[in-house]
Amino acid sequence: GAGVSQSPSNKVTEKGKDVELRCDPISGHTALYWYRQSLGQGLEFLIYFQGNSAPDKSGLPSDRFSAERTGGSVSTLTIQRTQQEDSAVYLCASSLRDRGAYGYTFGSGTRLTVV
Amino acid sequence: GDSVTQMEGPVTLSEEAFLTINCTYTATGYPSLFWYVQYPGEGLQLLLKATKADDKGSNKGFEATYRKETTSFHLEKGSVQVSDSAVYFCALTQAGTALIFGKGTTLSVSS
Repeated sequence: GAGVSQSPSNKVTEKGKDVELRCDPISGHTALYWYRQSLGQGLEFLIYFQGNSAPDKSGLPSDRFSAERTGGSVSTLTIQRTQQEDSAVYLCASSLRDRGAYGYTFGSGTRLTVV
Repeated sequence: GDSVTQMEGPVTLSEEAFLTINCTYTATGYPSLFWYVQYPGEGLQLLLKATKADDKGSNKGFEATYRKETTSFHLEKGSVQVSDSAVYFCALTQAGTALIFGKGTTLSVSS
């Protein structure tokens, strides 16, 4: 596609429920990244994909968080048993090269609210 | 580990004022440096970048120079406009790491 597409744009869920967030990167971008943006906390790296594999998962905050990527394209970030502290904007980005100096293209994000 | 520190906001300016947003970094190697901008209700956009020491990145009247000796990448604009109101993020990356961001600086420009 023309840009990085994320869905849903907004998600309200009850504490303890599971949620899935989707990212559709720019066609041909082999690298894909998930970040979390919380108020006053800047952008926190979660996970990085190169193709379908995830060489760096170091930012996932707990084992309730997981992500996968299929066909070298769409990625899904899953949060199990959501907690209120999971409330944030989840951003996806893609780039042509592996963490290169080319910059990333970001989606508009999914705003997750856990009530 | 690598990190980015940028000045706390918010920064409030009148239209046509001079803007500086300070950014310093800590890195073991030779990172590439970036400024991203997030306009209200929009996603993050790459504003400018510099990949080696003494490089100057520029875009839309903004510029920043990669200063290795002071480990800085300060963002400047000579005359801000209301439309520049946004959150600005300084970031770095180098081989083996994802983009590392500062906490962001909110700029508010009034007419």
